[in-house]
Amino acid sequence: KNEVEQSPQNLTAQEGEFITINCSYSVGISALHWLQQHPGGGIVSLFMLSSGKKKHGRLIATINIQEKHSSLHITASHPRDSAVYICAVTTSGSRLTFGEGTQLTVNP
Amino acid sequence: NAGVMQNPRHLVRRRGQEARLRCSPMKGHSHVYWYRQLPEEGLKFMVYLQKENIIDESGMPKERFSAEFPKEGPSILRIQQVVRGDSAAYFCASSRGLAGNSGANVLTFGAGSRLTVL
Repeated sequence: KNEVEQSPQNLTAQEGEFITINCSYSVGISALHWLQQHPGGGIVSLFMLSSGKKKHGRLIATINIQEKHSSLHITASHPRDSAVYICAVTTSGSRLTFGEGTQLTVNP
Repeated sequence: NAGVMQNPRHLVRRRGQEARLRCSPMKGHSHVYWYRQLPEEGLKFMVYLQKENIIDESGMPKERFSAEFPKEGPSILRIQQVVRGDSAAYFCASSRGLAGNSGANVLTFGAGSRLTVL
């Protein structure tokens, strides 16, 4: 079993829909990261959080430390949000452990 | 502030050749991390360096792979005698301090170097 599990693996939505991507982890962490990767492109760090909730534009990330679970929400989704969203956790020291990613496709 | 710069963006090598990938961290960042993304797979940690020191290389293969971050110049990931299985995207990231232990230490990723071994 992976230390970081994401669901769903693939998600297709219509423009304007509210989207949720989930991440569960099984290890102690110092922080959780949400990353975005476009096809053939680089990786953008969206959020780093260790408690509570963060919001940036149409993106919201929450984390429940007791339940070892985080969610990434996208409100009013748009085709340009289509990308792979990756959950990663910082465990001991500096090591990042990544989930397998969620492929999001938003259709116009 | 140009962000994390990686070069080359694309590199083609024949089996047995050497590959050198370079990473210049963001200005003010002294912590560098290398990750590998094999085709159709997720990202995997390889190595974490600070200036002139390897802090954690537990994710790096024991043979043929080495990394350095000299006092001057970029961090370099070196792969000797490349094999087809080394074909992957190699991403570098940097942070001001230890990533994850403070809100100030957000990771910034480079665009990646895509290695193809023929």
